[in-house]
Order: sequence, then C-alpha cells, then structure tokens
Amino acid sequence: DAGVIQSPRHEVTEMGQEVTLRCKPISGHDYLFWYRQTMMRGLELLIYFNNNVPIDDSGMPEDRFSAKMPNASFSTLKIQPSEPRDSAVYFCASSLALGANYGYTFGSGTRLTVV
Amino acid sequence: DAKTTQPTSMDCAEGRAANLPCNHSTISGNEYVYWYRQIHSQGPQYIIHGLKNNETNEMASLIITEDRKSSTLILPHATLRDTAVYYCIVRVAETSGSRLTFGEGTQLTVNP
Repeated sequence: DAGVIQSPRHEVTEMGQEVTLRCKPISGHDYLFWYRQTMMRGLELLIYFNNNVPIDDSGMPEDRFSAKMPNASFSTLKIQPSEPRDSAVYFCASSLALGANYGYTFGSGTRLTVV
Repeated sequence: DAKTTQPTSMDCAEGRAANLPCNHSTISGNEYVYWYRQIHSQGPQYIIHGLKNNETNEMASLIITEDRKSSTLILPHATLRDTAVYYCIVRVAETSGSRLTFGEGTQLTVNP
C-alpha cells in the first residue's frame, strides 16, 4: 500500500488566489482527517469524514475553508480566497475506524505558502 | 479527553535507551494512552498505544503506571533516525466524537 498520498507537496500562491489541496486515503479506510500545523498553534484538526460524510468541521477556521470527499478515494481541502496567515503544513490522515486499536496514518503533508 | 504534560525536550546518546515520560493525572478509566512521533518534514507516525497493561511492539515499549496517571515510552536502542517530536495523547477511543488531539510533545534529539 502506498499510504496516504497528498498533492502537491509544496504550493506557493498569491494572496487572494484559490488553493486546492488533495488527498488519497488508504484503500478501505473509512475515516479521513485534515490537520493543519503551524509553529504558533501546532497540529490542529480541521475536519473529518466518515464514509465520505463530513462529521465534524468545528476546526475549520472560517468560511474561506471548505472540504469535500466525493468518493472513498479522494478528498480536497480548498481555501478561497487565500491569505498569508493560511501559510502552514496541511496533513491528511486516514483510519480504518475510531476504535482503540486503529491508529491514524498520515500523509507527507502539503506545505502552503501564501505571499 | 484528558490533558497530558511532557517535557519540552530531551537528549539521548545513540545506542542507549530513550525514556520519554508523560503525565496524564486526569485520565479516565476508559481513556487510552497513544504515542505518535513526527520526524522533521514528515507527517506524524503512530508508535504504540495502551489502556492499562504494558505494551511492546517492534518500535517501542509503553509502560503505564498502576494508577494510570503517567506513562513512559521506551525506545530501547535509540538511533539518529529516532530524532523527532514525540506526542503523548490520551483519548477515549470508542466514541464517534473522539479523535486525536496533539499537544506540544517532546523534542527528542539522539546524539552520535
């Protein structure tokens, strides 16, 4: 298994532009998570899905952020319009379940820089 | 989910055991202790978890005190590649509302 795959690895964009981050979870994993990591705030959970349905989006910072999971093998996190304070590393993770014996598998992340 | 306290940083000599402590004095009976680590520029990686018994796998051992208020992650023979931030996380694993919440972790530096 190739693990959780995120693209792009690096993204540099200008303020005001739309940014789309992509994630392919591990096949068969029912849960998908989007995290953001910054020096100031550490790793924060933004949103998670169960069977392609968003369950908790309370961590999404504001309406400029949106996430979708159109099928079991693909999810996107979109920022429109982007702002410099959105600069961070965005991680996607997937898990078989939320039970005790199921760890999360993280992707390598997308480093976003908004200038 | 219960809060955890970890030292900000630790050093360890290569080849020696690295013992990383975690305090979780407010842990509840149905909360598990999880350890993840994050090597620089990579995503977090699952290491081990436990409820009340000590656990061991190919990566590490987890020692949980009898009162469950603290635990220690042991890397028996640390290598330079074990240099990373180690996160101790406590969470209820059986409810749909429970998910991983990361604190600040311990920066472990393994020195040659």
